[in-house]
Amino acid sequence: SSELTQDPAVSVALGQTVRITCQGDSLRSYYASWYQQKPGQAPVLVIYSKNNRPSGIPDRFSGSSSGNTASLTITGAQAEDEADYYCNSRDSSGTPVVFGGGTKLTVL
Amino acid sequence: QVQLQESGPGLVKPSETLSLTCTVSGGSINSYYWSWIRQPPGKGMEWIGYIYYSGSTNFNPSLKSRVTISIDTSKNQFSLKLSSVTAADTAVYYCARGRVTFGGVIAFDYWGQGTLVTVSS
Repeated sequence: SSELTQDPAVSVALGQTVRITCQGDSLRSYYASWYQQKPGQAPVLVIYSKNNRPSGIPDRFSGSSSGNTASLTITGAQAEDEADYYCNSRDSSGTPVVFGGGTKLTVL
Repeated sequence: QVQLQESGPGLVKPSETLSLTCTVSGGSINSYYWSWIRQPPGKGMEWIGYIYYSGSTNFNPSLKSRVTISIDTSKNQFSLKLSSVTAADTAVYYCARGRVTFGGVIAFDYWGQGTLVTVSS
């Protein structure tokens, strides 16, 4: 089982703002990275080091962190944002990489 | 533009060893944490392990006893071996480039397209 917990599914109306969360004890010490995965495709890094976007990622994607929770916010969700989103970080026992279980985002 | 490509058998028999190779193009394999990540059909991602270009490795504790990752810098390739496979090892296997971000968190900025490996007799 994952030490990073995500809601299995979230929905948002087109053009509205949605927050996807990732919870875990290790997030009190480490930032999360976030990935977008569309069906049949490899994941794409969208946020790292809490709130840094790789080149080419739209600025409607942002990240934040508070306590044991990391969040990915999409401001003005677009139809093309419908995808699975995964967080990753370190875990609290020393394993350098752990993934959350993923959140399926539906854009209505 | 860095590209990664997985190669290897798509079908492996139970109890045998799964072997995959990832070829890196468009950039050097020197530096970075070269990783294997898998995703069972319809499920989430699981980190298998990584190898640093120097040869040091780190593995998911749940798979450590069955995993070997090696690197050939002269060919810009790294490889995965997973022994004693069962049906539970059926998954899409991705290779990915990991880089250390703030606080020592490894983020994966380039991924291969993934290759489905089915474990079945």
